[in-house]
Amino acid sequence: NAGVTQTPKFQVLKTGQSMTLQCAQDMNHNSMYWYRQDPGMGLRLIYYSASEGTTDKGEVPNGYNVSRLNKREFSLRLESAAPSQTSVYFCATRTDNQPQHFGDGTRLSIL
Amino acid sequence: DAKTTQPPSMDCAEGRAANLPCNHSTISGNEYVYWYRQIHSQGPQYIIHGLKNNETNEMASLIITEDRKSSTLILPHATLRDTAVYYCIVRGPNSGYALNFGKGTSLLVTP
Repeated sequence: NAGVTQTPKFQVLKTGQSMTLQCAQDMNHNSMYWYRQDPGMGLRLIYYSASEGTTDKGEVPNGYNVSRLNKREFSLRLESAAPSQTSVYFCATRTDNQPQHFGDGTRLSIL
Repeated sequence: DAKTTQPPSMDCAEGRAANLPCNHSTISGNEYVYWYRQIHSQGPQYIIHGLKNNETNEMASLIITEDRKSSTLILPHATLRDTAVYYCIVRGPNSGYALNFGKGTSLLVTP
């Protein structure tokens, strides 16, 4: 049982490049989330999906797009990466009134 | 969400109990107290949560005061692998989708 799987684990991009971060879960959870964590700070919500087919903006959505491909998968896309998007990105899932479960993160550096 | 206050750092000797305090004096009657931790370079890990009564699971115990204005997370026999940042989060039905992690308490377990 893998839980929440994020790929890739590490990535280095140049400014202006695009990339998609992948998140997949095998827990049959309805809700999925994307957070970013900058050094010395807590997690900030980028986007979330309360259920398959729906997505909504979180606290810091600018510069990102998401796709809830199916119940299992929720991807985060950077269309034109900027150095300010250098961060660690975490995907999380949850089902009805239960705690969120997190993946191990994607460490993204943008030069 | 109710605001939480935690000490920035604590030390604990290996094998001893680690008692991590959290103040949440503005907590509402329907808000739960959640504890997560984040071990370096990993995703946040759910530990325990409670509403009014004390709770215990295989990882920890949660003691909530009778007036619910504060709580204590207890790791009964701390190990070196418990070194992490511990987050106390208060959430209720109207809390929205994001978890507000704040800065947490950095616990160092020493040999």
